[in-house]
Amino acid sequence: LAKTTQPISMDSYEGQEVNITCSHNNIATNDYITWYQQFPSQGPRFIIQGYKTKVTNEVASLFIPADRKSSTLSLPRVSLSDTAVYYCLVSNNAGNMLTFGGGTRLMVKP
Amino acid sequence: NAGVTQTPKFQVLKTGQSMTLQCAQDMNHNSMYWYRQDPGMGLRLIYYSASEGTTDKGEVPNGYNVSRLNKREFSLRLESAAPSQTSVYFCASSERLYSGNTIYFGEGSWLTVV
Repeated sequence: LAKTTQPISMDSYEGQEVNITCSHNNIATNDYITWYQQFPSQGPRFIIQGYKTKVTNEVASLFIPADRKSSTLSLPRVSLSDTAVYYCLVSNNAGNMLTFGGGTRLMVKP
Repeated sequence: NAGVTQTPKFQVLKTGQSMTLQCAQDMNHNSMYWYRQDPGMGLRLIYYSASEGTTDKGEVPNGYNVSRLNKREFSLRLESAAPSQTSVYFCASSERLYSGNTIYFGEGSWLTVV
């Protein structure tokens, strides 16, 4: 049973805002929500993390509704270099394993 | 800063051969992980170690063994390699086994089993 559900892929154009939503219906009370970015032939790297409401850093914003059953990663004004796979991560129900879902493959077009 | 270091970067094995992937982290993290990533797919957890001296199975442990040699090092062994184990392997670490901690990944090890 998947812990998180994300769209498989998304397309966008340079300069647009991109929103990627992740569903995590069984999130535990003490779970944080973390998003990672992965470029081809590289390991994933941390983008942003939050527990509730809104978090913003220099590269992205993360919106988490009150029920915390989903989260939305917002990338403002994407560029070609934002083409990557984006993963949201919460802990697994069984023993707190940190398992990744399938990720969302974002393609930014000129 | 080295972070998480994996060796080897590339390896070709024949079916039935054995090998060990080495991983070391210099961030004094308690928890370490091995993931595999098949082409075009997401990451799947093979084994993890919550702390020095402990290891646990992840989602896809069959065909693998691990050793948490000390706090810094976590190795992954393929006893009898199979073509289905052709994949990219990522070692990772975090301060603790908790979703609130950032996971840091190595650069990956590309393994081909022929």
